[in-house]
Amino acid sequence: EPEVTQTPSHQVTQMGQEVILRCVPISNHLYFYWYRQILGQKVEFLVSFYNNEISEKSEIFDDQFSVERPDGSNFTLKIRSTKLEDSAMYFCASSEGRQGAGSYEQYFGPGTRLTVT
Amino acid sequence: GDSVTQMEGPVTLSEEAFLTINCTYTATGYPSLFWYVQYPGEGLQLLLKATKADDKGSNKGFEATYRKETTSFHLEKGSVQVSDSAVYFCALRGSSASKIIFGSGTRLSIRP
Repeated sequence: EPEVTQTPSHQVTQMGQEVILRCVPISNHLYFYWYRQILGQKVEFLVSFYNNEISEKSEIFDDQFSVERPDGSNFTLKIRSTKLEDSAMYFCASSEGRQGAGSYEQYFGPGTRLTVT
Repeated sequence: GDSVTQMEGPVTLSEEAFLTINCTYTATGYPSLFWYVQYPGEGLQLLLKATKADDKGSNKGFEATYRKETTSFHLEKGSVQVSDSAVYFCALRGSSASKIIFGSGTRLSIRP
């Protein structure tokens, strides 16, 4: 069964450093998402991406965050200058379509645990 | 804005016990409702879903019914197993949105 993959599974970085989290969505999917889960808190939406542009973003997704689909398979989340409060589990998801065009399921990857020290 | 509230955990039950995890939501329009499960060390997996009022989602012995009159989507299972130990998230997706809004999660532990 096709699945979303994410690398690395765990990333440790120092405050102020840039990190790139990588995701390989399911191959025929067109919509891509990033969510995060701070330890002990709820899973929060960050951004959705379609047709090489951001279609929706949350208040959390400020100027230090960016997303990119650099080639036909990868989808990346970049954090330019990490803060301690960016420590969280980051989940990538993908779907064939979006709500309104059918009840398309979002498939989630296993997550990348980011630890900022 | 849209939101999901689910019962606090952790919930600890004995094997073969009956499970209910309560979930209520606030949303405009007609959202789709979901239960996701996160097993230890793994990502989020869709457990079941319902897309309109009175729909019942079911999978692996779990059930939840979309109740618009009470804005609820409670998760139930008649006889839990040790392998059901996981964190369960209630979630919704608004009728005109693509993002999923999650509840805070309920950790379930099943004793043999």
